[in-house]
Parts: sequence; C-alpha cells; structure tokens
Amino acid sequence: AQSVAQPEDQVNVAEGNPLTVKCTYSVSGNPYLFWYVQYPNRGLQFLLKYITGDNLVKGSYGFEAEFNKSQTSFHLKKPSALVSDSALYFCAVRDGAAGNKLTFGGGTRVLVKP
Amino acid sequence: GAVVSQHPSWVICKSGTSVKIECRSLDFQATTMFWYRQFPKQSLMLMATSNEGSKATYEQGVEKDKFLINHASLTLSTLTVTSAHPEDSSFYICSARDTGGGYTFGSGTRLTVV
Repeated sequence: AQSVAQPEDQVNVAEGNPLTVKCTYSVSGNPYLFWYVQYPNRGLQFLLKYITGDNLVKGSYGFEAEFNKSQTSFHLKKPSALVSDSALYFCAVRDGAAGNKLTFGGGTRVLVKP
Repeated sequence: GAVVSQHPSWVICKSGTSVKIECRSLDFQATTMFWYRQFPKQSLMLMATSNEGSKATYEQGVEKDKFLINHASLTLSTLTVTSAHPEDSSFYICSARDTGGGYTFGSGTRLTVV
C-alpha cells in the first residue's frame, strides 16, 4: 500500500526566511510525487511534481523539492518565504505499480509572519 | 494549462433532498476523475474513482447508493449526494488526470445540509 507522511502539522517561519515542509512516502513501485497548496475554501493548486529525471524539481511560485530515494523523502522548499505563502500544503504520492490513485499526506499548515 | 471546473462552489440544502455536483475538464479529455471529501482541518479522503463509460470504483466504507457518480462523457463527471443529511456536510473536491501525467483539481464544493 502507498502512504505519505507529513510529520509537521504546522510550520511557522518569518517572512524572508527559508521555508521547508517535510514529506516522506512509502510505495512498492516507482513513486510519482506531488505537492499541492490549498487556500481556505478552495481546491488544490499544483506546485510541482516528480515523475522521473532530475532529483531537484522546480515548480510554481519559487518552490522546489528534492526527491531523495534513499530517504524516501520529497521535502518542499522555498528560499525566501512570503506572507502570501501562508496556506495548507499537501504532499501526495502515486505508486507507479498500483494504478491511478493519489494518496495524500495529512497536510502541513504554513504560517509566514511579517 | 489543464483546468477543471467544479460547480457549484457552495450549496445549502434541506435534509432529505439530493444535491448534484459537477466536475468538468475544460481543455482536455479526462477518462478518469476522482472525488474526494475533506473534513475541516483534515486531509483529502478519496471517495471514488470515476471512469468514463463505466461504473465508478468506490473506496472501502463509501456508500455507493448514497454518493452516486456518473461519468457519461470525457469531460464531465457528476457526484450526487442522495437523501442528504447533516453528517454529509463537507467540502467535496474533484480531480482529473491531465495529459501531463499529473492531477488537476476543481475548486471544491462546500455542502451544508440543514
């Protein structure tokens, strides 16, 4: 079975400081990994994905994530956080050996303080 | 980019009535769509996978007779909550597999049953 863990319920960071949101996964086949952001009462907005290729993936709004196979991690990062980055972030995985379903982590709330 | 339109954004209905939520892929064909439910401050829970031209595949514990899914065309899937009750109040989100190997999400529907 595929699973995703986001160990932090909330991350607080000062504006201008680096932001990291952690994600680890478990799959039996090749992992397809995704990061999404959700603002209140809205659907999910796509940030970036890892399917294959370079382990460092660059996405929308200055976010990036690094795929680490040995640590089964896919942490989301942003060098300089903005107040507008305050939102709920979800990591998701699709097991390449197990169909189309996405499994989501529990979400991490990011609060960027001015 | 791929766009998924979900309507309505919010709906209030009386207990015992049925509510239909539409999910449309606007600029691509989606043979597979997914329906999620999200409780406040929680992650997304997959309810069912909607396959064009065939029956939906429901996750364990989801009542198929209560949550009717129809995927009659390559661009439209509908979720009907039948005989809604207050405990069905939730945020419902659809998504579709897009042509880039990712998943595009609708903006969600806030259902309140009174």
